[in-house]
Amino acid sequence: ETGVTQTPRHLVMGMTNKKSLKCEQHLGHNAMYWYKQSAKKPLELMFVYNFKEQTENNSVPSRFSPECPNSSHLFLHLHTLQPEDSALYLCASSQDGSYNEQFFGPGTRLTVL
Amino acid sequence: GQQVMQIPQYQHVQEGEDFTTYCNSSTTLSNIQWYKQRPGGHPVFLIQLVKSGEVKKQKRLTFQFGEAKKNSSLHITATQTTDVGTYFCAGMEYGNKLVFGAGTILRVKS
Repeated sequence: ETGVTQTPRHLVMGMTNKKSLKCEQHLGHNAMYWYKQSAKKPLELMFVYNFKEQTENNSVPSRFSPECPNSSHLFLHLHTLQPEDSALYLCASSQDGSYNEQFFGPGTRLTVL
Repeated sequence: GQQVMQIPQYQHVQEGEDFTTYCNSSTTLSNIQWYKQRPGGHPVFLIQLVKSGEVKKQKRLTFQFGEAKKNSSLHITATQTTDVGTYFCAGMEYGNKLVFGAGTILRVKS
């Protein structure tokens, strides 16, 4: 619908697991974002990539590791997560890295046991 | 750091009633954006306001940006059941990143 897809849509993992979230945008945008959405909290910006270069790391713990191989794809590698990391992880893209008019993907609902 | 406060947290209205959500920033903003997230869905961009005192309309939705560029409002006239969801404002400080408000949850009773 929005041109931004995310997989998987749901993920359950143990604290010792390693998993990756994938985001792909088909809009020809140059900037991509990772957000964390927890219940009753504002959207938290995690990472920003502009033309494949990371331009923002919002003090995110190292157990979250982003990767942006090209302007259309964005990954979030997860390892040794904590239960409080359970949330909806949203990917977004925009024409450039100015944060204007972001198009969000459907999100990955992550549960850490 | 920059904070964006949004009120109310929750509003339940009768279909046909009006609805307003307010957004206040601790700092002057270069622009403000509004997003809507349906239950179980993802945020969808609605509009961006840039100019001091700007007013924009989208059908039954009216968006305003304050003269001091520190506050904004979204007003929905004659709500419909399709308006349900969470409305987020997101403020951009000059030279900084976008900060989202916590959102206002709107429920419409038919």
